[in-house]
Amino acid sequence: DTEVTQTPKHLVMGMTNKKSLKCEQHMGHRAMYWYKQKAKKPPELMFVYSYEKLSINESVPSRFSPECPNSSLLNLHLHALQPEDSALYLCASSQVERGRVGYTFGSGTRLTVV
Amino acid sequence: DAKTTQPNSMESNEEEPVHLPCNHSTISGTDYIHWYRQLPSQGPEYVIHGLTSNVNNRMASLAIAEDRKSSTLILHRATLRDAAVYYCIGGTSYGKLTFGQGTILTVHP
Repeated sequence: DTEVTQTPKHLVMGMTNKKSLKCEQHMGHRAMYWYKQKAKKPPELMFVYSYEKLSINESVPSRFSPECPNSSLLNLHLHALQPEDSALYLCASSQVERGRVGYTFGSGTRLTVV
Repeated sequence: DAKTTQPNSMESNEEEPVHLPCNHSTISGTDYIHWYRQLPSQGPEYVIHGLTSNVNNRMASLAIAEDRKSSTLILHRATLRDAAVYYCIGGTSYGKLTFGQGTILTVHP
């Protein structure tokens, strides 16, 4: 299995809702990442997990809460989002080799906040 | 993180080679150079990466300048399926990829 699977593929949520994005990989990768991508812009890093521990938080607002319950799963909990948070949310994974190996990305969750 | 500079767009004809340039003049000596591409409505796809030597794989070749301040991604025979945004990432400090603006590649039949 050489894929990163993200669910759901599409999500519409209100500003008062709580929802979660899920990411799963079975490649034995011990580093996992969340990226946010606005239309016609490059992906922007949000969080990095290494060996199930949060190692990088790129000053992301607290309404985004990541969680890594085990080495195969990565969640992103969403609460009280704003319309400007609408974007494509991408998950990626890699071996923990500080850039010596390629990263595998999922197809993303397209989030719309209304 | 190393800043990368790429042309905003490039065009090619099908079955011709394509050379996509990238400048990464601030890259450190231990950071790898990565290339990814992204098709519409999909996540980025790994293409190739390298440190100092030129690299080849089934998708492309990566030519790295001797001073490592620039690199070129080479698609040997472009197909319509190669039309995508190509991102050069010069440096992955602390294990993170920081994307630049990328090059939009258009392939004409």
